[in-house]
Amino acid sequence: GAGVSQSPSNKVTEKGKDVELRCDPISGHTALYWYRQSLGQGLEFLIYFQGNSAPDKSGLPSDRFSAERTGGSVSTLTIQRTQQEDSAVYLCASRRQGIETQYFGPGTRLLVL
Amino acid sequence: KNEVEQSPQNLTAQEGEFITINCSYSVGISALHWLQQHPGGGIVSLFMLSSGKKKHGRLIATINIQEKHSSLHITASHPRDSAVYICAVSIGSSSRLTFGEGTQLTVNP
Repeated sequence: GAGVSQSPSNKVTEKGKDVELRCDPISGHTALYWYRQSLGQGLEFLIYFQGNSAPDKSGLPSDRFSAERTGGSVSTLTIQRTQQEDSAVYLCASRRQGIETQYFGPGTRLLVL
Repeated sequence: KNEVEQSPQNLTAQEGEFITINCSYSVGISALHWLQQHPGGGIVSLFMLSSGKKKHGRLIATINIQEKHSSLHITASHPRDSAVYICAVSIGSSSRLTFGEGTQLTVNP
């Protein structure tokens, strides 16, 4: 595809439920990032994947958050037992190895009731 | 203190004015990025800088590595420039981004 795609675009869930957010990076981009944009808190890094290397999970806020990247392409961010403070826009970005510029997806807007 | 500081937080201008947004950072970086976010959330990369100056249309970005400071300039501003402008720095081998708080720019006709 032409750009990074994310699904769903919006997700409303009840507190305590699990959610899965999906990211399709640009074809050929080996690096993939998840970021979170919370209301009033700006953008923050969550997790980074590069090829087959172990991911950098240092930004994940709790052990309820996990992510995987299958086949070096599609990534899924999973939030277990969602809390209201998880409400945010979750953004995925990808870049080509050796190039610094990151390309962002449209985001998934998550609302936990 | 945030690793990336932007100013101003909010900026209102009249169409045609010259606009400057500033960014300071306190850590070693591999690159500095200027991003634009329109209402509705989509983020677009405007510039990636590691030194000097870049220009694209009416937008100019500069960086001073020694002073750890960057500026984004918009010449002949237009209402369609209204957006949030975000400064971000790439840190470490992963090039993960650390973001400033953003500058909300409103350009009135």
